Amino acid sequence: DAGVIQSPRHEVTEMGQEVTLRCKPISGHNSLFWYRQTMMRGLELLIYFNNNVPIDDSGMPEDRFSAKMPNASFSTLKIQPSEPRDSAVYFCASTPREGSNQPQHFGDGTRLSIL
Amino acid sequence: GENVEQHPSTLSVQEGDSAVIKCTYSDSASNYFPWYKQELGKRPQLIIDIRSNVGEKKDQRIAVTLNKTAKHFSLHITETQPEDSAVYFCAASWDSGYSTLTFGKGTMLLVSP
Repeated sequence: DAGVIQSPRHEVTEMGQEVTLRCKPISGHNSLFWYRQTMMRGLELLIYFNNNVPIDDSGMPEDRFSAKMPNASFSTLKIQPSEPRDSAVYFCASTPREGSNQPQHFGDGTRLSIL
Repeated sequence: GENVEQHPSTLSVQEGDSAVIKCTYSDSASNYFPWYKQELGKRPQLIIDIRSNVGEKKDQRIAVTLNKTAKHFSLHITETQPEDSAVYFCAASWDSGYSTLTFGKGTMLLVSP
């Protein structure tokens, strides 16, 4: 079990640039979640997918944020254009199967710094 | 929506002491309560969870208790060790069909040798 894989681990870029974060969930997992973590706001759920379909994107802060899941093994979170306040650690997590009360497995995160 | 409050925000104990972290939730429909440990610069990792049909669950030095009537649950760590130092997050989930979690703000636990 390779776990949830995120890339890149670190990203430093200038404001206004497009940023793309990537996630590969654990094989066979049906649901995928994107979180943002900051000191001030803690862990915030941005969007989640079930069987590659976005279910709830109400946590996405602005239209500058978008997420896709083209297949069961890959998802992207894109920020365009990026701003300094987007600096945070972004985590992806997946759960084993449909239904409630399944434990979420987190990736190692992407530490994003927007200058 | 669900709201989870977690206290304290920081907790310092001596090695060997016990540590207790408390959480309250607002949605009486919540029925799954996991706890995650996050070491500095690492990912959150599930350490224990409890479902609403159980009042207490233990795993070695860690235990979680749940009071559904009062809508609060707690993490208990006994015989703390320096490697227990981390940020601990509680979370709550309801039967939405999608395992979404609402997290508390976290407790930074420092265990001094």
